[in-house]
Amino acid sequence: QQQVKQSPQSLIVQKGGISIINCAYENTAFDYFPWYQQFPGKGPALLIAIRPDVSEKKEGRFTISFNKSAKQFSLHIMDSQPGDSATYFCAASITGGGNKLTFGTGTQLKVEL
Amino acid sequence: KAGVTQTPRYLIKTRGQQVTLSCSPISGHRSVSWYQQTPGQGLQFLFEYFSETQRNKGNFPGRFSGRQFSNSRSEMNVSTLELGDSALYLCASSPEDSRPGELFFGEGSRLTVL
Repeated sequence: QQQVKQSPQSLIVQKGGISIINCAYENTAFDYFPWYQQFPGKGPALLIAIRPDVSEKKEGRFTISFNKSAKQFSLHIMDSQPGDSATYFCAASITGGGNKLTFGTGTQLKVEL
Repeated sequence: KAGVTQTPRYLIKTRGQQVTLSCSPISGHRSVSWYQQTPGQGLQFLFEYFSETQRNKGNFPGRFSGRQFSNSRSEMNVSTLELGDSALYLCASSPEDSRPGELFFGEGSRLTVL
């Protein structure tokens, strides 16, 4: 059973535009939601994360919006740059569950000039 | 600080063989997790070790096993390889005082099963 659904599967954005990736989860026990960025040939790298007691978290051009009642969260990349072209994964974990992450299926982002 | 190191980076095996993959975590990190990444299934959790003890296990058959040594280095083994085991196997380490799910991934070991 897929517990974290991610959309879209792929996304093309013009340079300077806003990239938006959405995720929805089913398990209400999840209480930590990180986003990872993966470049070809590399392992995923933690980008930004949020807990459900916060509705929004911003780090530079990256913002997570969180809707606890809808069990949805999203990543916004402002002023998207070609260097942001990568695959983005949302994930969820449970405090006390160690480092077991449930990942979304990934979004391949391409930022065009 | 050196990152997570995985060896070998690439390997080719045939069905029925077994394989051992190695992971050296970031110095000071005691938690090591393993994930399988495939185009069809995405990133799936295999298991996590902390202080030489398996702390979590994913939904993989018993052919997949792992262990952690006293220096926190970890190995995973897959026995009786199947074609469907072809994947990128990612190791990730985490410091003891991190938030759950804050992982530092290596570049992976790409396994091809023929």
